[in-house]
Amino acid sequence: DAGVTQSPTHLIKTRGQQVTLRCSPKSGHDTVSWYQQALGQGPQFIFQYYEEEERQRGNFPDRFSGHQFPNYSSELNVNALLLGDSALYLCASSLEGSETQYFGPGTRLLVL
Amino acid sequence: AQSVTQLDSQVPVFEEAPVELRCNYSSSVSVYLFWYVQYPNQGLQLLLKYLSGSTLVKGINGFEAEFNKSQTSFHLRKPSVHISDTAEYFCAVTRTDSWGKLQFGAGTQVVVTP
Repeated sequence: DAGVTQSPTHLIKTRGQQVTLRCSPKSGHDTVSWYQQALGQGPQFIFQYYEEEERQRGNFPDRFSGHQFPNYSSELNVNALLLGDSALYLCASSLEGSETQYFGPGTRLLVL
Repeated sequence: AQSVTQLDSQVPVFEEAPVELRCNYSSSVSVYLFWYVQYPNQGLQLLLKYLSGSTLVKGINGFEAEFNKSQTSFHLRKPSVHISDTAEYFCAVTRTDSWGKLQFGAGTQVVVTP
């Protein structure tokens, strides 16, 4: 049973560029959440997708956007990258109606 | 709004000794509580969770946690640690009426030495 997978594992971008990160949820899960984990900090909630709609959103600017596909996989897009966007981006999946989220290994983004 | 405070940023401990990681939370509504572990260069793994019922919760790898509503705490314990328990540990909460957003603490780094 495959767990949550994310791609790519690492990414280097320059300021002002745009990036797309991808996530495939655990088998049977239909809800995907994204978190940003800066170095030395706990993860911060970006947003959650269910039925291809953004259901909840944390305190992140509109530069952060997402999408969920009919197969429940998801993308996180970040426009106009800033140095401060350098972080580990974690995807978590869950089953609608369940409070427990399962995390992927993350994508480490470095913005130069 | 909820907040989570992990009282120790780093906890050094000798192998086979017990360890306790402290977590306090504040919330105006009922919450579910979680502990996750993050090994170096990896994602988060669920250790245990408290949803309701018995306040003593047992998790994987010999960890357990006790929910104390009056003290708004959810401390994590292990009676005897191994070198492999060296990792970052995160306490997290989510509202019971609209789960989805996990609010994490800043983490506690556990370093186990022989």
